[in-house]
Amino acid sequence: IQMTQSPSSLSASVGDRVSITCRASQSIGTYFNWYQQRPGKAPKLLISEASSLESGVPSRFSGSGSGTDFTLTISSLQADDFATYYCQQSYSSPYTFGQGTRLEI
Amino acid sequence: QLQLQESGPGLVKPSDTLSLTCALSGGSISSTSYYWGWIRQPPGKGLEWIGSIYYSGINYDNPSLKSRVTISADTSKTHFSLKLTSVTAADTAVYYCARHRVGMTDAFDVWGPGTMVTVSS
Repeated sequence: IQMTQSPSSLSASVGDRVSITCRASQSIGTYFNWYQQRPGKAPKLLISEASSLESGVPSRFSGSGSGTDFTLTISSLQADDFATYYCQQSYSSPYTFGQGTRLEI
Repeated sequence: QLQLQESGPGLVKPSDTLSLTCALSGGSISSTSYYWGWIRQPPGKGLEWIGSIYYSGINYDNPSLKSRVTISADTSKTHFSLKLTSVTAADTAVYYCARHRVGMTDAFDVWGPGTMVTVSS
């Protein structure tokens, strides 16, 4: 299953509301996750099952979607949020990730 | 608090076998709710799932790696390992181990810091 994120990069400012989208090449229900990766660090799971916020993740992050189209929204960007975001399908093996969206100041 | 730590050679010669270990602290791989996985990331590129293993030894891996992968779990349940045979420069990457939560919220929810492996003569 191919995962396609858009945009590939995004420039924004602190306080902005931003959205990143991910499209699956076939329907995957809500077997879908979002990760955040800061430079030089391991990815961090933000949202699972398309819209379930992981423990400790700020409420400004939210996820939506099902089937083939999914969205990650950050309601009010903080300095900590500038990172690369990856989507991932967990519907079937081989598990696949999107190519990433780099969120820049 | 579960922590994972990858270890292994940072430099591997072409055609050799890459061997990495992921050590657990604060947990055991014998939990029924989790698999344990390997993911890699070539420099400047995205993430690729390599494979996952259950404590019983049941495992599955990415067909794109053409059967070069062996993932094993230690019987002491404190670490699991990755072997990748016949490596080439294309296998140069940061290799991460991760806890693979299964079920409706199937996701990689705890990650090691990663270890860089370079394939070069």
